[in-house]
Amino acid sequence: DSGVTQTPKHLITATGQRVTLRCSPRSGDLSVYWYQQSLDQGLQFLIQYYNGEERAKGNILERFSAQQFPDLHSELNLSSLELGDSALYFCASSVRAGVGVDEQFFGPGTRLTVL
Amino acid sequence: AQKVTQAQTEISVVEKEDVTLDCVYETRDTTYYLFWYKQPPSGELVFLIRRNSFDEQNEISGRYSWNFQKSTSSFNFTITASQVVDSAVYFCALSSDMGQNFVFGPGTRLSVLP
Repeated sequence: DSGVTQTPKHLITATGQRVTLRCSPRSGDLSVYWYQQSLDQGLQFLIQYYNGEERAKGNILERFSAQQFPDLHSELNLSSLELGDSALYFCASSVRAGVGVDEQFFGPGTRLTVL
Repeated sequence: AQKVTQAQTEISVVEKEDVTLDCVYETRDTTYYLFWYKQPPSGELVFLIRRNSFDEQNEISGRYSWNFQKSTSSFNFTITASQVVDSAVYFCALSSDMGQNFVFGPGTRLSVLP
């Protein structure tokens, strides 16, 4: 158990809908990262937050948004869902800010299926 | 643009064999970070190592070792005396200094047979 929790584990929804994925980092970790893993695109880095502020942005679509709250949990919002958004979404956390500084601890992922 | 190539799509070895997973990267940055991650059949992602571009020392952690060679833009991963539990997909990744331009390779699926 990495100490990072993600909810829900599975999510099935329809095209055009909006969903929110939630991530709670390990106690004491200030950085949260979001990744998407799909059959088509492989593993992609989406976005990183550090202590509430956006720190680095990857291949995150405009239909997607994220935020980190004062209690350090993070939410990834996916809207106007398309079939191609079906994927496993991972969250990871680390203590400090830089991607290259700290070991990352991954949550179990949320599997999103868009029908 | 940054790119990571893992030319080996799938590798099968017999238990106790040594195996090397190749990773070749492309970047124009002078400061960057390289990573390896493991994804076992259960699906979770496990961080294995990060290396910054200024540290070319090889690293050993138990049966795992990493060989970083800037001259050939490679960051190869060797498992010594492989075990069935090493069966997984292994991803190499690259990021710029502050985490932007973070890219993963396509992964290498390693099967260790008993």
